[in-house]
Amino acid sequence: DGGITQSPKYLFRKEGQNVTLSCEQNLNHDAMYWYRQDPGQGLRLIYYSQIVNDFQKGDIAEGYSVSREKKESFPLTVTSAQKNPTAFYLCASSVTALDTYNSPLHFGNGTRLTVT
Amino acid sequence: AQSVAQPEDQVNVAEGNPLTVKCTYSVSGNPYLFWYVQYPNRGLQFLLKYITGDNLVKGSYGFEAEFNKSQTSFHLKKPSALVSDSALYFCAVRDRGNFNKFYFGSGTKLNVKP
Repeated sequence: DGGITQSPKYLFRKEGQNVTLSCEQNLNHDAMYWYRQDPGQGLRLIYYSQIVNDFQKGDIAEGYSVSREKKESFPLTVTSAQKNPTAFYLCASSVTALDTYNSPLHFGNGTRLTVT
Repeated sequence: AQSVAQPEDQVNVAEGNPLTVKCTYSVSGNPYLFWYVQYPNRGLQFLLKYITGDNLVKGSYGFEAEFNKSQTSFHLKKPSALVSDSALYFCAVRDRGNFNKFYFGSGTKLNVKP
């Protein structure tokens, strides 16, 4: 079945360490996204990528970095510069052709990161 | 700027009763609106969408949503709630200026009591 795989499901790190969250999709979607979810705040966009080797900052990109070397993969690195990294991180994908504006986002099951 | 608002943090309803989860939007032009559901420690699942056409949109699991242009609302409804409908619900709008961007509401927790 096609879908988005995020790993690991739970991740624990010490403060000051960088950590990379994995996101892989086999939906053949061009666009991929990273969202951060905190209780009571909904989803906030960190980064998105419309095509391989290109990505754009979202609303809360500070302290995060991404790469898009393959269509299927969009890893997110949470750096030590991110002041409050403990959160639930969601990866998503969508089609991007101009005639597919009615296509929804497809989400992975998330990675819960705890930094102490 | 495009945005959606979900005015209720929580909605409580008895099983078998109708349910409504509210969403209002602010966009320029015609909106592309979506509803998603999230179960604990899971990603969001797509329920339904409004792009154009009929104001009553039918989706998954018996849910429907009513689009009201004059009230700029897109409320999620279900005629008879199930305990298994208890979850977090998000309304979202797709940015018409950059259709690769989606904006989400803050979420509404639906509690269905037996």
